[in-house]
Amino acid sequence: AQKITQTQPGMFVQEKEAVTLDCTYDTSDPSYGLFWYKQPSSGEMIFLIYQGSYDQQNATEGRYSLNFQKARKSANLVISASQLGDSAMYFCAMRELTNAGGTSYGKLTFGQGTILTVHP
Amino acid sequence: KAGVTQTPRYLIKTRGQQVTLSCSPISGHRSVSWYQQTPGQGLQFLFEYFSETQRNKGNFPGRFSGRQFSNSRSEMNVSTLELGDSALYLCASRAGGPSTGELFFGEGSRLTVL
Repeated sequence: AQKITQTQPGMFVQEKEAVTLDCTYDTSDPSYGLFWYKQPSSGEMIFLIYQGSYDQQNATEGRYSLNFQKARKSANLVISASQLGDSAMYFCAMRELTNAGGTSYGKLTFGQGTILTVHP
Repeated sequence: KAGVTQTPRYLIKTRGQQVTLSCSPISGHRSVSWYQQTPGQGLQFLFEYFSETQRNKGNFPGRFSGRQFSNSRSEMNVSTLELGDSALYLCASRAGGPSTGELFFGEGSRLTVL
């Protein structure tokens, strides 16, 4: 069964510095997608970045980049130039593609999350 | 473009009651998924609906059910509520089709069971 592990329950970073949030995954599916979501205290899950298992280059979206190391099964999120508004819970998630059989791409498996606190 | 809308945002029920939560997806999105979020279990997949058909179901008891209407709006129902059903219930919509489509989440319905 697929599994996502986020080993950092909490992380602290100084404003304007970069921070890396760790994520490792386990799957037998040769085709999968990896996501990072941000959840502020309001509860809404905000999509940040996506990496496909066959993508050759690491994904980037503005200040967010995904350090994808397929052989090590890791998909770490790097946030550059942290801002106070980045303080939130961050979730790594995976979607299996082959096993989904083309019928259920709405199922994501989430990690336990990392609480990021940005200090001024 | 309006986002995913969930109602009600907050509700309090007592054990044994039932509850119905509603989700309106982003216009044009045909897939709706439901998740339960608790401090102990984290985020867990409940089920997904696409074109009014349940496409996948998570490992939850039969007390949890859902449906999707022709306009893609979805409802989930929990019958015979238990204390452990207290959670944030999140709905997510997706355009459907290509597998790389991300899920867009609503702000959730926070259920407290007393």
